[in-house]
Amino acid sequence: AQSVTQLGSHVSVSEGALVLLRCNYSSSVPPYLFWYVQYPNQGLQLLLKYTSAATLVKGINGFEAEFKKSETSFHLTKPSAHMSDAAEYFCAVSDGGGSNYKLTFGKGTLLTVNP
Amino acid sequence: DARVTQTPRHKVTEMGQEVTMRCQPILGHNTVFWYRQTMMQGLELLAYFRNRAPLDDSGMPKDRFSAEMPDATLATLKIQPSEPRDSAVYFCASGLSDRASEAFFGQGTRLTVV
Repeated sequence: AQSVTQLGSHVSVSEGALVLLRCNYSSSVPPYLFWYVQYPNQGLQLLLKYTSAATLVKGINGFEAEFKKSETSFHLTKPSAHMSDAAEYFCAVSDGGGSNYKLTFGKGTLLTVNP
Repeated sequence: DARVTQTPRHKVTEMGQEVTMRCQPILGHNTVFWYRQTMMQGLELLAYFRNRAPLDDSGMPKDRFSAEMPDATLATLKIQPSEPRDSAVYFCASGLSDRASEAFFGQGTRLTVV
């Protein structure tokens, strides 16, 4: 079974500050890991994904995440927050194999960006 | 531009009533996913279709929920009878492969059962 834990249901940063959203996973097989963003009243949009290639993954809107197997982590970062980054962010895991249609999502982290 | 269209966007209904939510996948997409999002449970996969056939609906309460694809341009999720605990946002996503991560999400149907 797989699971995802997002530490902090709400993160608040100032515009221009570093964004760090934490995600830890549990998986019995090599995982595929994903970060999604959800803007108010919208569906989820894929930000980036790790599928066993490079451990540092770059995504859209200046976000990146690093897969650290030893820490079972896949934290999302952005060097400088912008007001438009305010949204909810979800980390997700799949087994990458025959069940890759199944994503297990974390509970989400709401990012607030203060002017 | 191509997008997944869900109707209605909002639905308020009384307990015991039938609710039907509709999804129009992106033209040409052959996989459809139905998700439910609640504060308590987060995002859960309810059903997965490929080429209009249900391949996994293990996440769906079978006694009251049903999902179908009458044709390639329409997916439906029905709840009968509805209960207050069904209040949630229901998302449809469509894609060209089995990889859920490559699917595009609709804007969701916000269901409130009173």
